[in-house]
Amino acid sequence: GAGVSQTPSNKVTEKGKYVELRCDPISGHTALYWYRQSLGQGPEFLIYFQGTGAADDSGLPNDRFFAVRPEGSVSTLKIQRTERGDSAVYLCASSLRAPGLAGEDTQYFGPGTRLTVL
Amino acid sequence: EDKVVQSPLSLVVHEGDTVTLNCSYEVTNFRSLLWYKQEKKAPTFLFMLTSSGIEKKSGRLSSILDKKELFSILNITATQTGDSAVYLCVLNQAGTALIFGKGTTLSVSS
Repeated sequence: GAGVSQTPSNKVTEKGKYVELRCDPISGHTALYWYRQSLGQGPEFLIYFQGTGAADDSGLPNDRFFAVRPEGSVSTLKIQRTERGDSAVYLCASSLRAPGLAGEDTQYFGPGTRLTVL
Repeated sequence: EDKVVQSPLSLVVHEGDTVTLNCSYEVTNFRSLLWYKQEKKAPTFLFMLTSSGIEKKSGRLSSILDKKELFSILNITATQTGDSAVYLCVLNQAGTALIFGKGTTLSVSS
């Protein structure tokens, strides 16, 4: 597609439930990033994939959060036993190459998924 | 210990005004500083700055970086209501994670 797409656009769930958020990056982009944005804050890094592997998952807040990218394109962010504090907009971004390659690591963002945990 | 500090946090101006948004940062291994515009949900890329003193320009928007004093400014001239958004200053620090400032919320009234 022309840009990064994310589904669903909105997700409302109950505390304790499991959710999956999907990101479809720009075709050909090897790097994929997940961010979480709480109200009034800038996005916070969660995890970054280079190809199929998680190159840096240092931003994942705890072991309830997990992400996969099995074929090096689409990625799924999985949240187990959701808590009210998980409510946020989850943003996905992709870049042509991995960070470190000048001019080719500009990140382009998807529209985000607004997660609300009741 | 915020690494990227933006000011002001919010700004209200009238159409036609010129605004300057500020961003100061701390860095270990600087690669670039980015500006994004965020309306609704998705940040959209504006500029990438890597060198001091070289102005990047796109229409009514321009930005410049000072790597010695560790700050950047984003200027918008002849503001329009469509410029109303959150403007994010972002540090790319030779690693994987972009570090975002909290943003400046710009409101342009007609």
